[in-house]
Amino acid sequence: SQQGEEDPQALSIQEGENATMNCSYKTSINNLQWYRQNSGRGLVHLILIRSNEREKHSGRLRVTLDTSKKSSSLLITASRAADTASYFCARNSGNTPLVFGKGTRLSVIA
Amino acid sequence: KAGVTQTPRYLIKTRGQQVTLSCSPISGHRSVSWYQQTPGQGLQFLFEYFSETQRNKGNFPGRFSGRQFSNSRSEMNVSTLELGDSALYLCASSPERTDTQYFGPGTRLTVL
Repeated sequence: SQQGEEDPQALSIQEGENATMNCSYKTSINNLQWYRQNSGRGLVHLILIRSNEREKHSGRLRVTLDTSKKSSSLLITASRAADTASYFCARNSGNTPLVFGKGTRLSVIA
Repeated sequence: KAGVTQTPRYLIKTRGQQVTLSCSPISGHRSVSWYQQTPGQGLQFLFEYFSETQRNKGNFPGRFSGRQFSNSRSEMNVSTLELGDSALYLCASSPERTDTQYFGPGTRLTVL
């Protein structure tokens, strides 16, 4: 499959804890993007990391990229109930469409 | 700027019918992509249009078609609907292909 693969498929944590989601892929990339989707709605872009970057931060989000291992991780610190959603990684390889993984379902329990 | 809009938001059809979904991208965005999302298959790429030209097509049967107009608005059409076409259809726009994609709220299609 050309899709990225996220793990875990589902994650349940307490409010205030950190959540880490991982994404692996198989081919070379120009950039890797993370999106969030609240139940049954459109996706919201969270962060884009380019292939020559190793780490990026945005508020409580931290994304790392290891191109040698073809993997990325998304860390959400001090999680809140409002972070409950599905999180998807999507890889961009230039002349091909974005390829999305199957996502990680995150539940943050208050 | 207004976000990506999709109409209609919900649609119920019966097998054999056809359906047309519409997407208006963010002003200035020339790239529009369509995705089908189902619980079993996840997000699957349908088409990508840029300046009225289809640049990529996903692995879907010919019953699925689309087009883009000169104002960048896009439509997709599904003919001879099957039960398996029930899904959330998402449209996304971006200034250029490699950029961040901005998604609309989706059209929930139910085929009975």
